[in-house]
Order: sequence, then structure tokens, then C-alpha cells
Amino acid sequence: GAGVSQSPSNKVTEKGKDVELRCDPISGHTALYWYRQSLGQGLEFLIYFQGNSAPDKSGLPSDRFSAERTGGSVSTLTIQRTQQEDSAVYLCASSLVEGFEQYFGPGTRLTVT
Amino acid sequence: KNEVEQSPQNLTAQEGEFITINCSYSVGISALHWLQQHPGGGIVSLFMLSSGKKKHGRLIATINIQEKHSSLHITASHPRDSAVYICAVPGRGAQKLVFGQGTRLTINP
Repeated sequence: GAGVSQSPSNKVTEKGKDVELRCDPISGHTALYWYRQSLGQGLEFLIYFQGNSAPDKSGLPSDRFSAERTGGSVSTLTIQRTQQEDSAVYLCASSLVEGFEQYFGPGTRLTVT
Repeated sequence: KNEVEQSPQNLTAQEGEFITINCSYSVGISALHWLQQHPGGGIVSLFMLSSGKKKHGRLIATINIQEKHSSLHITASHPRDSAVYICAVPGRGAQKLVFGQGTRLTINP
């Protein structure tokens, strides 16, 4: 079956521009997660959605970052006024319900010039 | 906050060798994840375990809840096993995973 998909796979943007990253979770998965992997760094949690509950945004690094999940399915991570330190691979994962195994998408490599 | 330490950071071995990667964490957990990240960047979940041992093919994961320690073993290693192996545990909030820095494994033919 189809796995988690993300788009675009690569994005190059100029400093100060806004970007939107998209995640399509596995159909039927109620939990969706966004992570970031900066160059030479480990993975870090950004935000988590579970069903219709309020998202856990505690990992978002600044108020320039926001995310939404429409209809309990597709999610969009938006970064406003991008900075060079935002350059990273942004990974999305989904799981059937919270506490279950997470399935990762291929990631979006964001480069801010 | 849960702290996760992996060792070694880098590991190079010859094809066929038995590989062990270790993960220690600081706070009791409900489950631990082992992930594999290939050079292209894609991440695959290998195991999620909360006790004892799990086996999948040549990969074996064990966990000792009392000692807050887990190991990932690879038997009869192969060059295609070359990847970064990452351990992750729940942080503050069960679903907020905290990740180790990863172990970069290189298997030479």
C-alpha cells in the first residue's frame, strides 16, 4: 500500500521567503508527526497531531513555524520569513494511533540561500 | 527530559561480522524505537519494543527496562546494512520522540 508521501522532495528558497511543506500520511492513520534533521544534527520533534485533538506544538523552534492538518489527513508545515538556519530535512511520520509504530516519509530537503 | 545516548557513533566492520549498537536513556519509557536511515535520507522503522527481544531477519533488538538500555544486533552483516541507526524514546509526552545522535555503520565487502 501507499506509504507516507511528502512534497516537494527538494526546495530551495531565498532568505525571507515563506515556504509550505506538505505531508500525506498513510490512509487511516490518526497520528501525524513532523520532525527536522539539520545538517550534522540528530532528529528533533516539531509538532504532533492526534485525531481532532489540539496539536502538540511544543517542538516548534519559533513563531515563524506553524502547521495544520486538514480533515484529519493531509498536513502542511509553513515556515514564514525563512532563515538560513531553517535549512534542514523536514520529515513527516504517521501512525495508526498514538503509541503505535511510526512510518516515515522520504522528507523534504529545504535549503535557504 | 529523556536523554538518549548511543554508542558507538561510528562503526566500520567487514562483511559477515556480528554488529552491536547500544542505546541508553535516562527516564523510564513505555517503548523504544530503532530506526534505520539510508544514505539517501529515507528513514525506516525497524523495531518498536517495550520488553524482551524482537527479531526480524538478521536484525535483533533487545531491551532491559530496569537498566534503561537497548541493543541492536546485526548478524552476518552485509554492505547493504550500511546506514545510520537511530534509537528513539518518548520524551515529555509519550509521542514526542527524543532521538539519539545515531550510529553510522559501514560494512565493507
